[in-house]
Amino acid sequence: GNSVTQMEGPVTLSEEAFLTINCTYTATGYPSLFWYVQYPGEGLQLLLKATKADDKGSNKGFEATYRKETTSFHLEKGSVQVSDSAVYFCALRGNNDMRFGAGTRLTVKP
Amino acid sequence: DAGITQSPRHKVTETGTPVTLRCHQTENHRYMYWYRQDPGHGLRLIHYSYGVKDTDKGEVSDGYSVSRSKTEDFLLTLESATSSQTSVYFCAISEVRGAGNQPQHFGDGTRLSIL
Repeated sequence: GNSVTQMEGPVTLSEEAFLTINCTYTATGYPSLFWYVQYPGEGLQLLLKATKADDKGSNKGFEATYRKETTSFHLEKGSVQVSDSAVYFCALRGNNDMRFGAGTRLTVKP
Repeated sequence: DAGITQSPRHKVTETGTPVTLRCHQTENHRYMYWYRQDPGHGLRLIHYSYGVKDTDKGEVSDGYSVSRSKTEDFLLTLESATSSQTSVYFCAISEVRGAGNQPQHFGDGTRLSIL
């Protein structure tokens, strides 16, 4: 079945550092890929998405490229801020279900 | 923000008692979902609904039942709560399911503790 594997956290960075959170997937067919962000006490919010190979999703300085050849969808940001501290989830949507990674907690220190 | 309200937001109860969580949406979306979130597991699907009175099981459905009598409401029931069901529960909605490129929108969650 479909599955998502993302790097384990927690990740701690200093403000303005470069961020990469790795995500790889296993899927049949042509899934859509998503990154969600969860702030404390809240639900998941859609951060960005990509629906086909080589698509790049971007939002709020975050980017991720759908790489079919490496089955990856790594999340990147060039300069993180304290306000980016949250838990990030990679997700895959196939024809009949949606699968989430375990989440990666990011803490950004001033 | 998508109009999704979960109630209650927090609940503490005892093993063996019945518990019902409610999800209410104002978006008129066809699909509704219940997930549980546990450390190290991300979100796992419990049940989902694809219309009024139409529901199906997810990957962790044992011990849970659902009902959808109106488009806007999706109820999750634990008939006899167990400590293993202590978790944070999230409701989600989406317009379509089969298209694959539509995101799900989430409520703020219900933190359930079973003692």
